[in-house]
Amino acid sequence: GAGVSQSPSNKVTEKGKDVELRCDPISGHTALYWYRQSLGQGLEFLIYFQGNSAPDKSGLPSDRFSAERTGGSVSTLTIQRTQQEDSAVYLCASSFILSAGGWETQYFGPGTRLLVL
Amino acid sequence: AQSVSQHNHHVILSEAASLELGCNYSYGGTVNLFWYVQYPGQHLQLLLKYFSGDPLVKGIKGFEAEFIKSKFSFNLRKPSVQWSDTAEYFCAVNTNAGKSTFGDGTTLTVKP
Repeated sequence: GAGVSQSPSNKVTEKGKDVELRCDPISGHTALYWYRQSLGQGLEFLIYFQGNSAPDKSGLPSDRFSAERTGGSVSTLTIQRTQQEDSAVYLCASSFILSAGGWETQYFGPGTRLLVL
Repeated sequence: AQSVSQHNHHVILSEAASLELGCNYSYGGTVNLFWYVQYPGQHLQLLLKYFSGDPLVKGIKGFEAEFIKSKFSFNLRKPSVQWSDTAEYFCAVNTNAGKSTFGDGTTLTVKP
């Protein structure tokens, strides 16, 4: 079946503008994750959703970042008043949740490459 | 807070050399452990995973990893690397609380 898709694939914006990034997870996957990967860095965990709720928002870098998920499916990550340090690749992943707790393998999307000028 | 440490940032090997990439994590509870790989121009994808049972797990393309609970380690190994193994490798830890933590990654370059 279809994998995780993200849009846009690339986004160039001016400092101070708001941007919205979209993630379509694999159908049936209950868990959804957002990560940020800056140049030469590892994956920085931002937030995850269990269904439509986000039990852990501690990874969001600042209050300019927010995310929501509707219908247990599509998720959007919004960055308000973008700054140059927000430039990075934003990755989305989805997975099943194990009945015994814990998360199964994460399937990653291609990412959105954000450049803030 | 949990953390994952990958000791090698960049490894350069010749074809047929043996590979071992270190991964240590800090978390006192039950964990699920993963190695992901990102080939040039491709998505991150699963290489192998450990949930329970035999601590020696085998993944795709001849990779294996051993979970040593006493050392909080999950090192990745391959007896003989190929040029096509050139990629970035990430160790990751998931906990029952749902937190997912990745290491900073190790870039492997295999010279033909």
